[in-house]
Amino acid sequence: SQKIEQNSEALNIQEGKTATLTCNYTNYSPAYLQWYRQDPGRGPVFLLLIRENEKEKRKERLKVTFDTTLKQSLFHITASQPADSATYLCALGGNTGKLIFGQGTTLQVKP
Amino acid sequence: GAGVSQTPSNKVTEKGKYVELRCDPISGHTALYWYRQSLGQGPEFLIYFQGTGAADDSGLPNDRFFAVRPEGSVSTLKIQRTERGDSAVYLCASSSGTGDIGYTFGSGTRLTVV
Repeated sequence: SQKIEQNSEALNIQEGKTATLTCNYTNYSPAYLQWYRQDPGRGPVFLLLIRENEKEKRKERLKVTFDTTLKQSLFHITASQPADSATYLCALGGNTGKLIFGQGTTLQVKP
Repeated sequence: GAGVSQTPSNKVTEKGKYVELRCDPISGHTALYWYRQSLGQGPEFLIYFQGTGAADDSGLPNDRFFAVRPEGSVSTLKIQRTERGDSAVYLCASSSGTGDIGYTFGSGTRLTVV
């Protein structure tokens, strides 16, 4: 069955450093991959989408890579700030519109 | 509306009761999705609508769960004979199409079955 794995342990980094989060998947060939941010008590907020034929996408301090051979996406936040502290979810999608989410990784940026 | 609205924000019900959860999507969004999220987990797909019809209901766990979207806008998720295992946050999302488009989520309804 399809499986998506994100770091289950929280990631703690110092302000100003680059945070790197990992999303690995098996038994799936997604057409695209999305990253969301979720704060406690709130719904996920869409950040970035990368398609299967794209290697890298950037948006301000965010960068996403997508390696369909390794079946992995990396999500980077450069010059991290305490306000970046949240849970980050990766999600895979195909042609049906349905997204399958990973369990999320919690990021804590310390001042 | 400006965002996806879900009501109620919290619902406590007794085991065996019937509940309805409402979702008001962004005006004009044709696709609407229901997900369920347990503590420490990612959202789990339940059902999605394209217009008025359920395009994919493969995530509904059993026949106690049912969802409708009669006019292609507001949707209601209905749960019969609730069980304690149904306790979770139920999230609704909408998008302007299907495929490679980001979803807009509501804040969810926290359902607690006691």
